Amino acid sequence: QKEVEQNSGPLSVPEGAIASLNCTYSDRVSQSFFWYRQYSGKSPELIMSIYSNGDKEDGRFTAQLNKASQYVSLLIRDSQPSDSATYLCAVRAGANNLFFGTGTRLTVIP
Amino acid sequence: GAVVSQHPSRVICKSGTSVKIECRSLDFQATTMFWYRQFPKQSLMLMATSNEGSKATYEQGVEKDKFLINHASLTLSTLTVTSAHPEDSSFYICSARPGRSGEKLFFGSGTQLSVL
Repeated sequence: QKEVEQNSGPLSVPEGAIASLNCTYSDRVSQSFFWYRQYSGKSPELIMSIYSNGDKEDGRFTAQLNKASQYVSLLIRDSQPSDSATYLCAVRAGANNLFFGTGTRLTVIP
Repeated sequence: GAVVSQHPSRVICKSGTSVKIECRSLDFQATTMFWYRQFPKQSLMLMATSNEGSKATYEQGVEKDKFLINHASLTLSTLTVTSAHPEDSSFYICSARPGRSGEKLFFGSGTQLSVL
């Protein structure tokens, strides 16, 4: 499988701070990039997708993609305790396959 | 948004038995569904891609005779774990994508399999 790497964490930030989550991938032909949030014992839910270099903002979330560096990140502004979860980076290279990183566990401290 | 229903949510079985997990797309047709497995504190690992009306495509290292996939209709795919063993205990998740080229992937709620 393609390599998608994330720091496993845990990452702890105080409430209201910015949480920064990072992901690197090994396959240069990767085309689509996704961030999923997974609460313990639950299935992942899509929170952001990004396809071209630069930033993409959606509410408190900003995804950043740098294809030259093979790097994608997720910023969460004004972090809330409800943001505490595992965040999975996923990369698609072909038509179907989606490869996930191991996830970063985020804890937002009230 | 699109809904994918997966059941059972939890199953406990004895070693040697077979377990069937169902994945249904409730409000869209899914020509392709995906089956993942997740061990504790590990990533989601793609097991196989299920194609309606044809054979599933298995990832390297996944035994197709052990993990039987059937995608008989555009809204239903099943995964059967045959002769389950304790090492098969894991969280199994299905996902589906509306249409042939849509990017969004919708996940089922997952099935926690525990083999005694």
